[in-house]
Amino acid sequence: KAGVTQTPRYLIKTRGQQVTLSCSPISGHRSVSWYQQTPGQGLQFLFEYFSETQRNKGNFPGRFSGRQFSNSRSEMNVSTLELGDSALYLCASRDMSSYNEQFFGPGTRLTVL
Amino acid sequence: AQSVTQLDSQVPVFEEAPVELRCNYSSSVSVYLFWYVQYPNQGLQLLLKYLSGSTLVKGINGFEAEFNKSQTSFHLRKPSVHISDTAEYFCAVTGTGNQFYFGTGTSLTVIP
Repeated sequence: KAGVTQTPRYLIKTRGQQVTLSCSPISGHRSVSWYQQTPGQGLQFLFEYFSETQRNKGNFPGRFSGRQFSNSRSEMNVSTLELGDSALYLCASRDMSSYNEQFFGPGTRLTVL
Repeated sequence: AQSVTQLDSQVPVFEEAPVELRCNYSSSVSVYLFWYVQYPNQGLQLLLKYLSGSTLVKGINGFEAEFNKSQTSFHLRKPSVHISDTAEYFCAVTGTGNQFYFGTGTSLTVIP
């Protein structure tokens, strides 16, 4: 099976812009989670989607949003970008029937100038 | 609520020496425990996992971990490290159907 894919891999934006990141889970996985990784904060949970519904949400401002499509692909959107949003954004998928193991994509490196 | 504490942010160790990366968790429910490794500019890769059964879990690349319920720990060990083990290591905990909680990571540097 193909792994989790994320596009784009690298992105440069300026403050105030918005950005959309995409994640395609492993075939058959219906759960997709998003994480923000920064050197000082480690992995911070953003949200999880399962069957097009958000089932868990981390402690991030409303500028961070997501959605999931019927084919389980997920997008994450960040509006009004701030310098502090520069990070590696990781997507992970899992099959809810197989003991919760998450499989991670390579990430999207977002730089906000 | 669940949480994970990785006690060491950085661990330097000489090549071929043993290493232990410490992880403690807090949870009021049954847990599943994981160790992930992240190489530079890559995503996270599963090293090993504890779901149930034997408390000693063996993973890839010669790593193993021991689940200790009384001490709420899940420490990662390797008897002899290689240069290629230099990476960031993350401990994680989850319960059935719940979200994952990650530690802040331990940077392992293997010194030739």
